[in-house]
Amino acid sequence: GAVVSQHPSWVICKSGTSVKIECRSLDFQATTMFWYRQFPKQSLMLMATSNEGSKATYEQGVEKDKFLINHASLTLSTLTVTSAHPEDSSFYICSGVRGGSDEQYFGPGTRLTVT
Amino acid sequence: SQKIEQNSEALNIQEGKTATLTCNYTNYSPAYLQWYRQDPGRGPVFLLLIRENEKEKRKERLKVTFDTTLKQSLFHITASQPADSATYLCAMTRSASKIIFGSGTRLSIRP
Repeated sequence: GAVVSQHPSWVICKSGTSVKIECRSLDFQATTMFWYRQFPKQSLMLMATSNEGSKATYEQGVEKDKFLINHASLTLSTLTVTSAHPEDSSFYICSGVRGGSDEQYFGPGTRLTVT
Repeated sequence: SQKIEQNSEALNIQEGKTATLTCNYTNYSPAYLQWYRQDPGRGPVFLLLIRENEKEKRKERLKVTFDTTLKQSLFHITASQPADSATYLCAMTRSASKIIFGSGTRLSIRP
């Protein structure tokens, strides 16, 4: 069990447009979800932590107005990259934590390319 | 600042040998150390978690050690196979929140 999906798996968009990425926990309720960004040959960098029904907590240096996070239910969190620019091109990965557990279950990632 | 380092960016070994990956941390006292496998273009897959009061943990061909004095974790894959080729990430955390990841070691097992 503990499967997390992401949609879409890849997306190409034009500079200035907004893109929404969905993260779903398929077989468990995720009280907390995390969003990471990974640049080529680099490690995962935590962007924000979202708890169901409350505002996300952003890491230092991450613009909350640019990366909008909504965690409307225990199985769905969304990340919207607003007014995307080429430097936002990256691999975005979400993870979910099952209530009462210490383990994070990661999604397969979404490759965003901004042209 | 908190830092976690994997001292080899890449490691190449012969099939059948034991692969040993090293992870060192500074300015932090993690409650857990975790190891993940990541294949190209995919999210990390959890492999093993070891707590600060545990010295060693095993799972099939995998073994993890945790030395809080040396501030180091070693990850071993015994009887390595080409299918074990991937990037391995170590990560430290004090709770279910805020995992700090190392930059990874790209392991290649040659037949």
